[in-house]
This record gives sequence, C-alpha cells and structure tokens, in this order.
Amino acid sequence: QSALTQPASVSGSPGQSISISCTGTNSDVGTYNFVSWYQRHPGKAPKLMIYEGNKRPSGVSNRFSGSKSGNKASLTISGLQAEDEADYYCCSYEGSSTLVFGGGTKLTVL
Amino acid sequence: QVQLQESGPGLVKPSETLSLTCTVSGGSISSYYWSWIRQPPGKQLEWIGFIYYSGTTKYNPSLKSRVTISRDTSKNQFYLNLSSVTAADTAVFYCARGLDTFGHFDYWGQGTLVTVSS
Repeated sequence: QSALTQPASVSGSPGQSISISCTGTNSDVGTYNFVSWYQRHPGKAPKLMIYEGNKRPSGVSNRFSGSKSGNKASLTISGLQAEDEADYYCCSYEGSSTLVFGGGTKLTVL
Repeated sequence: QVQLQESGPGLVKPSETLSLTCTVSGGSISSYYWSWIRQPPGKQLEWIGFIYYSGTTKYNPSLKSRVTISRDTSKNQFYLNLSSVTAADTAVFYCARGLDTFGHFDYWGQGTLVTVSS
C-alpha cells in the first residue's frame, strides 16, 4: 500500500482554472472508479468535494470537477476564488475495503 | 446536522496504548461506516480502519496488528485503540463517517493531536 502521488503545490490567479493530479497504480486508481477529493482549510475538518471520481456532493460548487485517465485522477477547479485556497487530498479505493490517500497539494490563489 | 468529536489523551508514552473516542451527535452510528484516519506532522493522511454498524471491522494492513476499533451504540460512540505506540504514531487523528467503503466520507471530526513521547 503506497500513498498516491500529488504535487506538493499548485497556484493560480482568481478566475483561472487549475488541475491537481493524483497518480496511483493499477492496484488502486487504475482499477477502481472510486477516487474522492477532500478540501481542508487550516484548522478545519476535511470537506468532501468529489466522490466516485466525478460526482459532487450536494452543496459543492460546480466549479469543482473530477476526472480520471489510466492511473491518474485529477481535480479541476475553474473560476478560481480566494476561498479555494486550501490543501487538497485525493483518496482511492484499493480493493478489499481498504483505502489509500495522497500526500496532499497546497493550492495558493495568487 | 451530524457532528463528530474526537477525545482522548493528547500525550501517550512509547510502548503504551493510544485510546481515542469519537462521539457522534445528530445521527446514529447504527448505520454507515465509521472510520479513523490520521495525519502525522508533515505527512499524508492515512486511513486506519472502520467499523460498520453491524460491528464488522476492517483495518489498514500496515496497522492491523496494533489496531482495534470498537463501538458502543448506546452511547453513540466508537473507539480507537492503537497499541505499542512509538514516536512515529504522533499524528492528528480524525474520525469520519463513511457512506460506503470506497472513500466517501461525508462528515469528519475536527481532529485531535496525539503526541507519543516519554
């Protein structure tokens, strides 16, 4: 069980679009369509932004979207806003009811 | 609104057992999956395991030999025991509600820092 690989940081200006990648293996991201994404502001609990690869929970802005290609999943945020500045974590199912998380990406809104 | 709150000692001695409680309000633990997740300082989140409302448990293979998750439905609480701790177990521990076993956590606690030190 290895952590999923995410870039340490990404940045963008307000109004721009950014993507955060989450690279796994054929044992997790590449096999299962169960990647979720969490947003965490400092000192706050993580918030679910995307589940099952591309589904948004009720109340999450449609500026957030998820996708997958092969062993890599991506979270895209369009129309970047200051409030989007946070840490983002991906999580993938890896079979046998077990889960693996990514290392996290710090998003900076310039 | 479902709320989760972790509680327990903030300091545990090496080789001892770390014990945490997650108290759930606004919803019953008699359904869904209830997980523990941790994040060591400067490192990634790590799923520890879950307990299903039926009492079935599943643990991260890397921690399985040291972890026990249990619950008390009458108190609407679930628990984490992590034995034989070392400094590497120092982390912020979160409890969370899972709608399934696929990483769909819709409610989380705020997290509690547990430091392992003599």
